Formats: sequence, structure tokens, C-alpha cells
Amino acid sequence: AQSVTQLDSQVPVFEEAPVELRCNYSSSVSVYLFWYVQYPNQGLQLLLKYLSGSTLVESINGFEAEFNKSQTSFHLRKPSVHISDTAEYFCAVSDGPRGTGKLIFGQGTTLQVKP
Amino acid sequence: DAEITQSPRHKITETGRQVTLACHQTWNHNNMFWYRQDLGHGLRLIHYSYGVQDTNKGEVSDGYSVSRSNTEDLPLTLESAASSQTSVYFCASSEGQAGSSYEQYFGPGTRLTVT
Repeated sequence: AQSVTQLDSQVPVFEEAPVELRCNYSSSVSVYLFWYVQYPNQGLQLLLKYLSGSTLVESINGFEAEFNKSQTSFHLRKPSVHISDTAEYFCAVSDGPRGTGKLIFGQGTTLQVKP
Repeated sequence: DAEITQSPRHKITETGRQVTLACHQTWNHNNMFWYRQDLGHGLRLIHYSYGVQDTNKGEVSDGYSVSRSNTEDLPLTLESAASSQTSVYFCASSEGQAGSSYEQYFGPGTRLTVT
């Protein structure tokens, strides 16, 4: 069975500092990987996704994540965070192109950006 | 623009009452999902559907039911509300076509309180 572990429940960081949110997954099949962001009192929005090809994927607002198959990780990084990045971040995995279409979510990481 | 909506956004009900949460999407997606979000648990799948007349149980389906009579709607019913069902509920949809990424699009959520 697939599972996702987000290694940090809360990550406090000062504005303009770099940040890494860690995500590990377990799966016996090829996977698709996702990062979603949830701002307060809102639904989840897709931040970025890995389907195939280049292992480094980027979002439009400066986040990037690298798929590491040997370490079964998909960590999210940003070189310089803003106050507006304060949100809950969820890592998710689905069972690839011939899969069920279901997503398995991690427990979430709260990113707290302080001035 | 296509969207996914949920209603009501907030609901307070009493233990034992039947409650129905609505979910409507205009993406024309085949797949629809219901999740609940609780602190420390991330998102947990309640029920899902791959198309009209198709419904499946997720990991926390006890006490919940769904029906899919058309492509656009997947209402979630709590047969006899319990305090343990106090939560935030999210509906999501995805394409479900062969070769799709299974990216899910989320509604804004319904905050349900059972007293």
C-alpha cells in the first residue's frame, strides 16, 4: 500500500530565508507526486507535480521539488520565502498512469513565515 | 471558468440528524472524491466515484454515503450525524481519462459541526 510521510508538522522560518519541506513516500509501483498548498479557510490548490521526465519541477511562484527515486523523496524547496507563503502544504502520491486515480496525502506541514 | 463548488460552507447540526453536503463541478470530470480534514490526520478519503452510478468506499466511509446520478454532482450524506464527524469536508474532482495526471481540483470546503 502507498503511504506518504511529511517529516515536519511545523516549519518556522524568517522572511527571505530558504526553506525545505520534506516528503517521503512508499510505493511498489511507478507514481505521480504532487504538492498542494492550502491557505487559511480555503481549499487545496495544486502547487506543482511530477509525472515523468525531468526530476526537478518548478511552480510559478518560486517553489521547486525534486523527485528522488532512490530515496523515495519529493522535497519542496524555496530559496527565499515571503510572508504570503504562510500556509499548510500537503504532499500527495497517486499510483501512476495505470492507477486508480486516488491520491494519498501526507499529514501536512505548516509553514510559518515570520517578519 | 470551470469550477467546483460546495454548499453549505458552514453547517451546525445535532447528533442523530441526517445531513447532506453538496458538491457540484463544471469541469465535466469523471472522477469525484470526498475527503475529511482533521488536525493531525491530513486529508482522509471518505468515498469516491469514477462516473455516473459508480461509488466506492474510501478509508473512513463508516457513517457516510454518496450517490452519483449525473456527472456534475456527488452529494455526501451523513446518515445519523455523530460528534466524531465534526470536521472540514472537501470535495475534489479529476479527469479520469487514460493518460491523465489524476490531478485533483478541490472545492472550498464545508465546515460541519455536530453538537
